[in-house]
Amino acid sequence: GESVGLHLPTLSVQEGDNSIINCAYSNSASDYFIWYKQESGKGPQFIIDIRSNMDKRQGQRVTVLLNKTVKHLSLQIAATQPGDSAVYFCAESRGGYNKLIFGAGTRLAVHP
Amino acid sequence: EPEVTQTPSHQVTQMGQEVILRCVPISNHLYFYWYRQILGQKVEFLVSFYNNEISEKSEIFDDQFSVERPDGSNFTLKIRSTKLEDSAMYFCASTPGQENTEAFFGQGTRLTVV
Repeated sequence: GESVGLHLPTLSVQEGDNSIINCAYSNSASDYFIWYKQESGKGPQFIIDIRSNMDKRQGQRVTVLLNKTVKHLSLQIAATQPGDSAVYFCAESRGGYNKLIFGAGTRLAVHP
Repeated sequence: EPEVTQTPSHQVTQMGQEVILRCVPISNHLYFYWYRQILGQKVEFLVSFYNNEISEKSEIFDDQFSVERPDGSNFTLKIRSTKLEDSAMYFCASTPGQENTEAFFGQGTRLTVV
């Protein structure tokens, strides 16, 4: 079953450091993966996506890595800034009508 | 930049009352969704909607819930008889097409059932 709870894992980093947020997804049939950023009181904001035929994709200051063998997804943020402080969710989709299954989330705290 | 808009931002209702949450998806999008997020928990899928009908729904989306696209722009979620456990943030989302494209989320409606 899925685990839920009130306490999110937290990653604390110094401003300027690189951050790596990890996610384990549940279904080997998932073929599309997305990272979302959620700031307090706001909706999920798209960061970067990757399809299952790729293992790496880069954006501006962000990189997503996909390891299908172990069903693992990671988000790397280069030169982390205070504005990056938020909760980060990975989400998976099995094509079709794009229903998203969200992971539990990781809180990123950036300290000056 | 086009965005998904939701109203109201916060709704307080008494247990047993009906509520309607409203969303205006991005205008050229074809697929519409409702998700909810109980405080401190992850975002959960409720329902997807395409071509004026429900395409998929989760176990959460029971007979108390319904969705409608009453005109060419609005997409609504109705909860017929609210329960305390319906208190959550409700997010509307839309995507342009079927194949693995980015879902744009609204800012959410915080529903508080008292």
